[in-house]
Amino acid sequence: EVQLVESGGGLVQPGGSLRLSCEASGFTFSDHYMDWVRQAPGKGLEWIARIRNKATSYTTDHAASVKGRFTISRDDSEKSLYLQMNSLKTEDTAVYYCARAYSRGDYFDFWGQGTLVTVSS
Amino acid sequence: DIQMTQSPSSLSASVGDRVTITCRASQRINSALNWYQQKPGKAPKLLIYAASSLQSGVSSRFSGSGSGTDFTLTISSLQPEDFATYYCQQSYSTPLFGGGTKVNIK
Repeated sequence: EVQLVESGGGLVQPGGSLRLSCEASGFTFSDHYMDWVRQAPGKGLEWIARIRNKATSYTTDHAASVKGRFTISRDDSEKSLYLQMNSLKTEDTAVYYCARAYSRGDYFDFWGQGTLVTVSS
Repeated sequence: DIQMTQSPSSLSASVGDRVTITCRASQRINSALNWYQQKPGKAPKLLIYAASSLQSGVSSRFSGSGSGTDFTLTISSLQPEDFATYYCQQSYSTPLFGGGTKVNIK
């Protein structure tokens, strides 16, 4: 059974940092592109970052809204995905989901349960 | 950049109704369009990929159609468990979701 379990969310002050983790199981993690998608309270889904697999040199993309502040990474040996979030703003308050991308990012076929990040003073 | 416009933003329907949700891309995306269902407090769930392919385990009352710029998600006979928010997502370029359609009970 495919499982994605996020952790690391919490309350942080504006300007602070947080590192989210997503632990994967039930599939060959190293084969897949992996993404982070967030959802602000009462709002829609926003894709924020992707990391490709080893075959595509672990290349990354970040949404303009987080570029330069957030960094996606992965550790295939630990079957884990990460999101380092720096210079956090109140508008980064959201539930953050990790998602498995099928094939070369065609669609998101499995999602974690999400972890809530609250940026507030 | 590609823009995704979903309509309506909300609708009210009754059990047994046929429901249609539309998603329009600002440029051609071939069939690179996916649909997700999200219930309150839960992660999104993939329903349809590549515009018209039904994800394994998803009820056949869900169907998708379209290509190019105009796409449709249809629920043939709305069931109580279908009251949720639905999102389209293009995978032609950097992933982008539509604004969502909330399906309410009439």
